[in-house]
Order: sequence, then C-alpha cells, then structure tokens
Amino acid sequence: GQQVMQIPQYQHVQEGEDFTTYCNSSTTLSNIQWYKQRPGGHPVFLIQLVKSGEVKKQKRLTFQFGEAKKNSSLHITATQTTDVGTYFCAGPFNYGQNFVFGPGTRLSVLP
Amino acid sequence: EAGVTQFPSHSVIEKGQTVTLRCDPISGHDNLYWYRRVMGKEIKFLLHFVKESKQDESGMPNNRFLAERTGGTYSTLKVQPAELEDSGVYFCASSQHPGRKLFFGSGTQLSVL
Repeated sequence: GQQVMQIPQYQHVQEGEDFTTYCNSSTTLSNIQWYKQRPGGHPVFLIQLVKSGEVKKQKRLTFQFGEAKKNSSLHITATQTTDVGTYFCAGPFNYGQNFVFGPGTRLSVLP
Repeated sequence: EAGVTQFPSHSVIEKGQTVTLRCDPISGHDNLYWYRRVMGKEIKFLLHFVKESKQDESGMPNNRFLAERTGGTYSTLKVQPAELEDSGVYFCASSQHPGRKLFFGSGTQLSVL
C-alpha cells in the first residue's frame, strides 16, 4: 500500500540543540513535501523537493531528498522555542491523486 | 488573496446526528482534498476532487461519509449518522495542480458525544 513513515514520533530537545526527523516512503516519489503544524493550528507548507539527492536550506532548516527518491530528512540547527510543532512529510501517490502524509514528528523545545 | 476557508470551526453533536462541513478552496484551485486528523495522530487522506469530479476517494472510511463539490467550487463533507470514532479535526486543502503544494484551511474540530 501507499505508506509514508516518519521517525521519531516524538522528540524533546533543549533550546539550542539540533533536531532531525526522517521520512521514508514505500515507493519512489515524484516529489516530497514538508509541512509544519503548530499546536492548535493547521499544516503549513515548508518546502518541496523534486530532484534526486536535492538539498535545500531555509535559514536553520535543511531539507534533503534521498538519491532513490524514497526518503527525506529535515534537520533544524540550534532549535528555538518557535520551532515547536509537528513536522510532516508528504508525497503524491497515484499520479498525485492521493497525497499521503507521514504520521509526523512532534517536536518539543525546552527553554 | 483569500485562503482556504472552512466552516464551522467547531461542531459538537450527538451520536446518530448529521453534520455537514464546508470548505471553500482558494479561487482557481481545481484540486481539493479532505483530510482527517484524529487524536493528534497522522493526517489521514479522505478524498480528492478535481473540479467537481472525485479522483480518489480511497480514504473515505465508510458510506456514512458523503463528499460533494457541485459546480467545482466549494465542497461539503456530510457525516450521517455520526459515530463516536468520527471525532477529530477535518482539514480541507487545495492546490493548483495535483501533487503540488497544498494550502490548508484551519480545520473543523468535530466532537461526537
């Protein structure tokens, strides 16, 4: 079936520490997207990766798409309390008709 | 430009009642998706419209759920009759192209008592 897995499920870090979440798809993806949902909020698009091996940076966030286009990672350097939330990866299946989200990694940042 | 709008933001109903959720996508977005998040867990796909046509409804849990998008503009998701396990946050999202960036609404928090 169409599955997108993420680890870890939860991560608690001290402010200033780094954080990484990993995403794996059961099949090759045409692209992978990352979203962030703050507590009580709705998912907000962060980035889309399309090319094999692609690496993109947004300030303290680094996103990577695996060579086989089946896995991805999000790394946050020197976390801040504003980074708190759940990070989801998502990928299109069935020619984009079915957009599947991973279970998310919930990040807590202790001040 | 207005974002994706969902109504109501909260709904509390009793088991066996009917509830209708509404989603207004961003103007010009042909692709409309419904998702559900239960108890803070995964964002589960329900179905996908392209204009007024259902492209993929493989995520719809059962025939108590009915989604429509007449005219290809706004969409409704009706739950009839509601069961306790239907509680959760129902999100609508739209995009210009299938598989591309999704814009989410603020969601409808449904509580079935």
